[in-house]
Amino acid sequence: EDQVTQSPEALRLQEGESSSLNCSYTVSGLRGLFWYRQDPGKGPEFLFTLYSAGEEKEKERLKATLTKKESFLHITAPKPEDSATYLCAVGDDKIIFGKGTRLHILP
Amino acid sequence: DTEVTQTPKHLVMGMTNKKSLKCEQHMGHRAMYWYKQKAKKPPELMFVYSYEKLSINESVPSRFSPECPNSSLLNLHLHALQPEDSALYLCASSQSGLAGNIQYFGAGTRLSVL
Repeated sequence: EDQVTQSPEALRLQEGESSSLNCSYTVSGLRGLFWYRQDPGKGPEFLFTLYSAGEEKEKERLKATLTKKESFLHITAPKPEDSATYLCAVGDDKIIFGKGTRLHILP
Repeated sequence: DTEVTQTPKHLVMGMTNKKSLKCEQHMGHRAMYWYKQKAKKPPELMFVYSYEKLSINESVPSRFSPECPNSSLLNLHLHALQPEDSALYLCASSQSGLAGNIQYFGAGTRLSVL
């Protein structure tokens, strides 16, 4: 059965404290791994897509990496406005979402 | 521009009402999706339209009825809903229905069923 598991479920960091979020997956045929950011009561906002192991993408304080079994979302020197839920999704024959990591950055 | 527009933003309805949710995109995307999201849970896929034809129905109860009048518009007709159907309803679109395509989401409709 295809699965997407995100860890940790929740993470509290001080402003400026770098960390990483994990997304591990088991799918029969990966057709893309997607990271989204979701603020409370709003729709997910697309951040990155990765298609092959070894691929990396960056945007401001965020960097996404992909291996054959997992992806990491590295956040460097986060600010309070980076607080959100970060969703990982994997494309197989359809999109499968993980449960998300709720990130809270304390000022 | 990667905008998907959903209306209304909020909807309150009784269990005997009939209402509709609307979604619109002008990115030339040929696949559109409806998702349901409960608090602190990930989005759950309900329906997929690809090239204006229903391609996936995730065993959704018949009180939810999707419609795709053209490639830019997607509706979700609601009838005889239950309180447990209260949730955030999200629309998304992608270039095609292939799972490797990026899905862009609207802001959602917050539905409350009384």
